[in-house]
Amino acid sequence: QKEVEQDPGPLSVPEGAIVSLNCTYSNSAFQYFMWYRQYSRKGPELLMYTYSSGNKEDGRFTAQVDKSSKYISLFIRDSQPSDSATYLCAMSDNTDKLIFGTGTRLQVFP
Amino acid sequence: DTEVTQTPKHLVMGMTNKKSLKCEQHMGHRAMYWYKQKAKKPPELMFVYSYEKLSINESVPSRFSPECPNSSLLNLHLHALQPEDSALYLCASSSIGADGYTFGSGTRLTVV
Repeated sequence: QKEVEQDPGPLSVPEGAIVSLNCTYSNSAFQYFMWYRQYSRKGPELLMYTYSSGNKEDGRFTAQVDKSSKYISLFIRDSQPSDSATYLCAMSDNTDKLIFGTGTRLQVFP
Repeated sequence: DTEVTQTPKHLVMGMTNKKSLKCEQHMGHRAMYWYKQKAKKPPELMFVYSYEKLSINESVPSRFSPECPNSSLLNLHLHALQPEDSALYLCASSSIGADGYTFGSGTRLTVV
């Protein structure tokens, strides 16, 4: 079993839809949770960063962490074609090692 | 623009060449990283430097040699690479417990 599981998609939604992206993990020591957006042939861009459990909102993006279920989510409201990218979840414990999910490819069509 | 700067953006090298990738950050982060990313795959950790000391080496072949000259700079020296080493090489930096990991735009390396 991988430490971090993420549905690779692709996920195709119409413009304006609410998108839900999810990851599950097995290591209960993870405390830091991140979501990255990566456009083709570019480096990952940090979207959301959360420490421990709870919710965090930034504009159209909301990140949720449920440590009891070992489950994290990213919601994108009012999705736009410019949101079309690969979304990577990532997490770490108190070491310097960041563990990535496989990434979910999202396509938002006009 | 990203706050982690990588040069060059693209590199083509032969299997007998020696080249270096460079990374610079001015955010005061204490840890710097090299990742390798193949197409349609997540980044894979190669090396971690913490306070300018190598703290993690993920069993990377010796043809990849990292160097951290100071707290802002990270180099990756390349020698006798194979075509399968062609990938996007990403540098990142972080301060644990603060703002997460910041990645550079990467160097797209092609080995011919």
